[in-house]
Amino acid sequence: AQSVSQHNHHVILSEAASLELGCNYSYGGTVNLFWYVQYPGQHLQLLLKYFSGDPLVKGIKGFEAEFIKSKFSFNLRKPSVQWSDTAEYFCAVNTGFQKLVFGTGTRLLVSP
Amino acid sequence: GAVVSQHPSRVICKSGTSVKIECRSLDFQATTMFWYRQFPKQSLMLMATSNEGSKATYEQGVEKDKFLINHASLTLSTLTVTSAHPEDSSFYICSAKTGGVGGIYNEQFFGPGTRLTVL
Repeated sequence: AQSVSQHNHHVILSEAASLELGCNYSYGGTVNLFWYVQYPGQHLQLLLKYFSGDPLVKGIKGFEAEFIKSKFSFNLRKPSVQWSDTAEYFCAVNTGFQKLVFGTGTRLLVSP
Repeated sequence: GAVVSQHPSRVICKSGTSVKIECRSLDFQATTMFWYRQFPKQSLMLMATSNEGSKATYEQGVEKDKFLINHASLTLSTLTVTSAHPEDSSFYICSAKTGGVGGIYNEQFFGPGTRLTVL
């Protein structure tokens, strides 16, 4: 069965620090990859997505992610975080069988 | 575009009663809708996949007689939690996708969720 791993469960950063959240998946075929954000008390929002083409994907709010096929990874990055980035971040993978498999999530706390 | 709504946003009910949650795609036709459950501080777990006009496919461990799913039209799916108990209290989220297979057609659009509290 497909699985998605997010190794960092909790991350605490100061404002202006750089962010990288890891995401690894287990599936050898074609994948579609997503990062979602869930701000406190709010619903899931799409940050960015990868279907094909350039493995470096730029999303909203200054986020980007890089798909490295050989490493089965899709890490999320942001050069300089803000207090408003405090949220929970979910990586998700779709393997073409319609199902979206979510990682366990990473809770990011940015201190002002 | 690609907006999904859910109603109600919050519901509190007594143990033993049934609760219906609606999921609507507002500006597109959703051939497939998904229902997820999210416990506090945990990830989303897929409960079932429903295709318009056919029976839902439930994930392992999800009781189909307890969580009734109906996808009667291309814009509406409903989840009914029957004989709800406190352990059913959770955040229920639906998503929808358009027809087609592969690539951009695999993107799901999420609703805002429904918080169910069973007393």
